[in-house]
Amino acid sequence: GENVEQHPSTLSVQEGDSAVIKCTYSDSASNYFPWYKQELGKRPQLIIDIRSNVGEKKDQRIAVTLNKTAKHFSLHITETQPEDSAVYFCAASKGGTYKYIFGTGTRLKVLA
Amino acid sequence: DGGITQSPKYLFRKEGQNVTLSCEQNLNHDAMYWYRQDPGQGLRLIYYSQIVNDFQKGDIAEGYSVSREKKESFPLTVTSAQKNPTAFYLCASSLTKYNEQFFGPGTRLTVL
Repeated sequence: GENVEQHPSTLSVQEGDSAVIKCTYSDSASNYFPWYKQELGKRPQLIIDIRSNVGEKKDQRIAVTLNKTAKHFSLHITETQPEDSAVYFCAASKGGTYKYIFGTGTRLKVLA
Repeated sequence: DGGITQSPKYLFRKEGQNVTLSCEQNLNHDAMYWYRQDPGQGLRLIYYSQIVNDFQKGDIAEGYSVSREKKESFPLTVTSAQKNPTAFYLCASSLTKYNEQFFGPGTRLTVL
């Protein structure tokens, strides 16, 4: 069935360093890939997304890259700050459908 | 963060009781969703609704029921048939099923 694998499950970085989270999807028809940030006990918030017609998208310190051939996409956070500490979820969906397949999440800890 | 509200924030239920979780949005979104989140897992879709008076089962609908009588409201009932109801429940909405989903703050349900 449809599946999204996310790695690593936990990631600790020093403040100022970069963090990379990777996701691999199984359904080659997937064409929309959002990333959500969830702080403890709070709602997931969309932080960036990418569609399959582009290979990379940036928004300040955050970027997402997509490799359709390999069916994987990654979240890159540069110059990490303590407030970046949260759980990050990737998801994949096919255009025109409601269905998001979520990864299992990555707990990012930024150490001051 | 505003626009989607869920109540209550915390809910306790005895085994054998049905309980209804509220989700309201004032974003004029057509589509609404219910997800379940368990520790260490991604979000799993329970039910979704593309439009008023219409809803469809997601991946884990057994033991749950919904209604969509108003555009703004999509309540979820957790019935006694749900074997392991203790979880964090998230409601989401999107302008249409083609658009990104935005989440409510969640309800943490504990069955005693």
